[in-house]
Amino acid sequence: AQTVTQSQPEMSVQEAETVTLSCTYDTSENNYYLFWYKQPPSRQMILVIRQEAYKQQNATENRFSVNFQKAAKSFSLKISDSQLGDTAMYFCAFTVYNAGNMLTFGGGTRLMVKP
Amino acid sequence: DGGITQSPKYLFRKEGQNVTLSCEQNLNHDAMYWYRQDPGQGLRLIYYSQIVNDFQKGDIAEGYSVSREKKESFPLTVTSAQKNPTAFYLCASSILGQFYGYTFGSGTRLTVV
Repeated sequence: AQTVTQSQPEMSVQEAETVTLSCTYDTSENNYYLFWYKQPPSRQMILVIRQEAYKQQNATENRFSVNFQKAAKSFSLKISDSQLGDTAMYFCAFTVYNAGNMLTFGGGTRLMVKP
Repeated sequence: DGGITQSPKYLFRKEGQNVTLSCEQNLNHDAMYWYRQDPGQGLRLIYYSQIVNDFQKGDIAEGYSVSREKKESFPLTVTSAQKNPTAFYLCASSILGQFYGYTFGSGTRLTVV
């Protein structure tokens, strides 16, 4: 069975600072895809960033970047220059190539950005 | 604009009642999914469907039922057999074979009264 673990239930960061959210996963597959989703207070799920496991280069999207360590099965999210609008639940998720696109989600990290 | 529409946004259910949550997409996506989210927890898969007239149970299917009569629609019925239905329900869709994640609906908050 595939599992995703987010070990930090809650985190906080000062506005304009950098924060890193942790995620580890367990799979015996070699070909898979990893995602970070953001769920703000509106509860709308928003895709933040995506990483293909066969690519060694870490994905970046503006202020968001990942540190993908395939051997360690680790996929952390770094948010630079944190903004008040980054306050949200963040979910790590992944899918394996032959799983019909089905995502397995972690338990989430609640991030609070303080002014 | 293409997207996924979930309705209603809020739903109240009396004990012993069945209720149906609507999910409609106009993205021409093949696959559709239902997830349940409890407070402070992650998303758990209830049911998914990859093709019309076919669907599969997820991790927590007991007390729920679905249908997929049209590609665009994937309604979820919460039956009286579901003993703890109060939760936030999310519907999602994706294109099979393209691993770009899901498009999500805005969710339905179901409360037992």
